[in-house]
Amino acid sequence: EIVLTQSPGTLSLSPGERATLSCRASQSVSSSYLAWYQQKPGQAPRLLIYGASSRATGIPDRFSGSGSGTDFTLTISRLEPEDFAVYYCQQYGSSLTFGPGTKVDIK
Amino acid sequence: QVQLQESGPGLVKPSETLSLTCTVSGGSISSYYWSWIRQPAGKGLEWIGRIYTSGSTNYNPSLKSRVTMSVDTSKNQFSLKLSSVTAADTAVYYCARDEGTLYWGQGTLVTVSS
Repeated sequence: EIVLTQSPGTLSLSPGERATLSCRASQSVSSSYLAWYQQKPGQAPRLLIYGASSRATGIPDRFSGSGSGTDFTLTISRLEPEDFAVYYCQQYGSSLTFGPGTKVDIK
Repeated sequence: QVQLQESGPGLVKPSETLSLTCTVSGGSISSYYWSWIRQPAGKGLEWIGRIYTSGSTNYNPSLKSRVTMSVDTSKNQFSLKLSSVTAADTAVYYCARDEGTLYWGQGTLVTVSS
């Protein structure tokens, strides 16, 4: 089973700042089958990024994903008020597993 | 646009079997994988398993001994059974269309308590 680790656990930032979230896999994720989701309280997760770097439909271009192998990054270029949420990475190259999440909260 | 809706009892007694159904509307259930995921309050996401419309399954090894999934293509539904539940199984349960990436239902809270 591929184990995903996310860092930091919590990221405290102000609107307009840049957010950089990390996701590390215990073994290589095949074909960059790595996705990122955003979850707000009381809501289901929403797909942001798939294939490590492709934005899902309707996702603003301030969200970008990068990485390959075992190291992946989600970057939010300038935080908007609606971006404060929990972010999960998920790999789907070998079965399916989630990272523990990174909470982005308001500083 | 496909919509997924979970349904089932919101309260299950310890040692009993949790049963949930996901109804798919706005599209056919055929030729896709369908997954169940759960999330205890304030915690992260745990994938429970997936089923293909042929009936083939793939379960999370940590839950495999207690999980059964089934699909009813005539009703555009798929189901989850989790046996011998304890308080640790209390969570919001989500169904999702599984293309590797997930398209989620809204989730349903299941509480295990006597």
